[in-house]
Parts: sequence; C-alpha cells; structure tokens
Amino acid sequence: DTEVTQTPKHLVMGMTNKKSLKCEQHMGHRAMYWYKQKAKKPPELMFVYSYEKLSINESVPSRFSPECPNSSLLNLHLHALQPEDSALYLCASSQLPGPGGNEQFFGPGTRLTVL
Amino acid sequence: AQSVTQLDSQVPVFEEAPVELRCNYSSSVSVYLFWYVQYPNQGLQLLLKYLSGSTLVESINGFEAEFNKSQTSFHLRKPSVHISDTAEYFCAVIPKPGTYKYIFGTGTRLKVLA
Repeated sequence: DTEVTQTPKHLVMGMTNKKSLKCEQHMGHRAMYWYKQKAKKPPELMFVYSYEKLSINESVPSRFSPECPNSSLLNLHLHALQPEDSALYLCASSQLPGPGGNEQFFGPGTRLTVL
Repeated sequence: AQSVTQLDSQVPVFEEAPVELRCNYSSSVSVYLFWYVQYPNQGLQLLLKYLSGSTLVESINGFEAEFNKSQTSFHLRKPSVHISDTAEYFCAVIPKPGTYKYIFGTGTRLKVLA
C-alpha cells in the first residue's frame, strides 16, 4: 500500500466553526507532514511529525492545531479560521531522513473554503 | 539560503513534440532531487528522483531527467508529449541529507496543445 488518504475531499466552513482534517498512511512511515497550497503556488510546509512527536512548526498560527494520535494517523484541527486560510491542504509521509533519501508521498488533499 | 529556480512558469507545446522543463538549484553540497507532477485538484505525485548513482533517471511514463552537478541543474525532458501530460510540474530539493524539508521550485505549468 503506497497510498496516503485524506478526508474530507472538500470542506466549507464559517469563521466560527471547528473542523478537522484527517490523513492516514499504512506504509510504515515515521514522518508525516502538513502542507498548505495556494493556487498556482508550490506547497508550503506547516508541520512535521517524527515518531508521533511534533518536530517542525513553521510558525503556523495557533488556529491550526496538529495532532498525531498514532504512527498511521495525522489530524489537523481548525478553529476560527480566516478567509485567507482557504487553500488546498496536503498531507504527506516519508521515511525518516537518511542516506537513502526521504521522498515524500502526498495525499490528494482537502480543498478548504472559509466563508 | 538554498533555492530552486524554475525559470519557466508556463510552457505550451504541441502534442507529440519534445519538451524540456528547467530546474536549477543552489547548493554546494550533495543533494537529493525530485520532480513531482500535480494534475488539477489533486495531490503531488512523484515523477522521478535522483539520490545518487547514474545521473540520468527515467520514469515509467517516458519522462527523464539528468543531474548535472557542474551546472547545478536537473532538467526534465520528454521526447513526445501527450495531452494527458498537461499539469503543473514542481522540482524539489532536499539540500542536505538528514533534513525533512523540501525546497520547492515555483512550478512550471505544462500545457499540451492538440
């Protein structure tokens, strides 16, 4: 299984809502990532988890709250978002960094619209 | 700071014509290099990668890329494109072993015309 799955595919939420994005992989990868991608731009790294612990937070606003409940699952909790947070949110996973390289496998993304 | 440059934001090309998408990176150390393809409203799919060894790497759908250390380039080529190759192509670099973070280029939109 070389697939990263993400749910939901689309999400529309108001600025006062609380919602969660989910990501799952069964490749045995111990590193998992959240990215934000705006139209016609490359993905921007938000968070990295390594061994289920937060390893990198790219100064993301606290209205985005990541969670890694186990080695296969990654969540992104959303609260009090702004319209400018509307984007495609991508999850990825990889082996841990090492001499063999750590290519990232991406999920299909969640298209988020904040009204 | 490390950077990846994709000079061409858009490349229109007729079907069955050859294409080259350019990628240059700035790094003085060994790097890992990747090309990803993104179809509309989808995630990124790995097209090919260079980690070490042969400088010419190939994908299963006819793309190839050559790592040129002296020119710090990793250009993507295909001898004959299809309509279905229309997509956004991103070059990415891991600037040194042991790091998590990709450095992405700004992307090249390949549009194949009938």
